[in-house]
Amino acid sequence: GAGVSQSPSNKVTEKGKDVELRCDPISGHTALYWYRQSLGQGLEFLIYFQGNSAPDKSGLPSDRFSAERTGGSVSTLTIQRTQQEDSAVYLCASIGGGSGGVGELFFGEGSRLTVL
Amino acid sequence: GENVEQHPSTLSVQEGDSAVIKCTYSDSASNYFPWYKQELGKRPQLIIDIRSNVGEKKDQRIAVTLNKTAKHFSLHITETQPEDSAVYFCAAPRSPYNQGGKLIFGQGTELSVKP
Repeated sequence: GAGVSQSPSNKVTEKGKDVELRCDPISGHTALYWYRQSLGQGLEFLIYFQGNSAPDKSGLPSDRFSAERTGGSVSTLTIQRTQQEDSAVYLCASIGGGSGGVGELFFGEGSRLTVL
Repeated sequence: GENVEQHPSTLSVQEGDSAVIKCTYSDSASNYFPWYKQELGKRPQLIIDIRSNVGEKKDQRIAVTLNKTAKHFSLHITETQPEDSAVYFCAAPRSPYNQGGKLIFGQGTELSVKP
């Protein structure tokens, strides 16, 4: 597609429920990232996928968070047993493979998660 | 790991004035420093970046300077316009040996340009 696409754009859930957030990166981009942006805060790195390599999960805040990337394209971020502190905007971004993973992050519009 | 501090958190200027936002970093091996602009309700977008082999880079009304000795870099916006109003984030690599997309972001500066 023309840009990074994320869904849903807004998600309201109850504490303790599981949620799935989806990201469809720019076609041909091999590097995919998930970031979290809490209200009035900067962006916090969560996880990184590069091609078929094992993902870098070093930014995931707890074992309730997981992500996968199927077929080197679409990625899903899953948050289990959601807590109120998980409320944030979850941003997905990709970088073109030709750049070797260095360069402009193309962000999606984000998924705003509210945990009641 | 890297640590990035950004100042000020808010900045208000009159249209036509200049705006300067400063960031410091901790890892002297860091080699890539991007700046992202995020308008209200929008996605962050790269506006300019600089690599450690140069001290300054300009793009029209925007410039970034880098002082490797002091480990700080700054964003300069000249002749500010109301459409420059946004939150600006500086960033540095989480590790200088990792891919440039894994970044540590500053806390952001909310710039308001008053007509």
